Amino acid sequence: AQSVAQPEDQVNVAEGNPLTVKCTYSVSGNPYLFWYVQYPNRGLQFLLKYITGDNLVKGSYGFEAEFNKSQTSFHLKKPSALVSDSALYFCAVRGASGSARQLTFGSGTQLTVLP
Amino acid sequence: DGGITQSPKYLFRKEGQNVTLSCEQNLNHDAMYWYRQDPGQGLRLIYYSQIVNDFQKGDIAEGYSVSREKKESFPLTVTSAQKNPTAFYLCASLRDITSNQPQHFGDGTRLSIL
Repeated sequence: AQSVAQPEDQVNVAEGNPLTVKCTYSVSGNPYLFWYVQYPNRGLQFLLKYITGDNLVKGSYGFEAEFNKSQTSFHLKKPSALVSDSALYFCAVRGASGSARQLTFGSGTQLTVLP
Repeated sequence: DGGITQSPKYLFRKEGQNVTLSCEQNLNHDAMYWYRQDPGQGLRLIYYSQIVNDFQKGDIAEGYSVSREKKESFPLTVTSAQKNPTAFYLCASLRDITSNQPQHFGDGTRLSIL
């Protein structure tokens, strides 16, 4: 069975500082990895994905993520945090075939950027 | 603008009552999904549909039912058999189940018990 771990329930960072939100995964075969962001009482908004190719993926709003196959990680990063980045972030993984094609989500990390 | 519309935004259920959550999409997507979100647990898959007139159980289907009579609509019924229905329910869609693209999400329905 596939799984996603987001080891930090809460991450606090000062505005202007770099931020990292951690994600590790387990899946059979090649992983398809996604990051989503959720604002209060809203749906999930897509940030970025890794399917194949370069290990460093760039996405929306200045976010990027680094795929590390040996460490089975896909950490979300941003060089300079904004107060408006404060939200709930979800990492998700899916496999390539069969029931593994269903998305499996992590438990989420609440990011707070302090002014 | 293409997207997913969920209604109502807030819903209250009485004991023994069935309630239905609406999900409509105008993205011409074949696949649609229902998730349940509880604090600290991420999203869990309730049901999904690959195509019209077909649907499959997800990880937590007990106490829920769905239908897919039209491509654009995938309503979810929370039955009285679901003993703990209080949660945030999210509907999503995808071009087709094999697509590598991200799922599109609606803005959710928050269900509470009266």
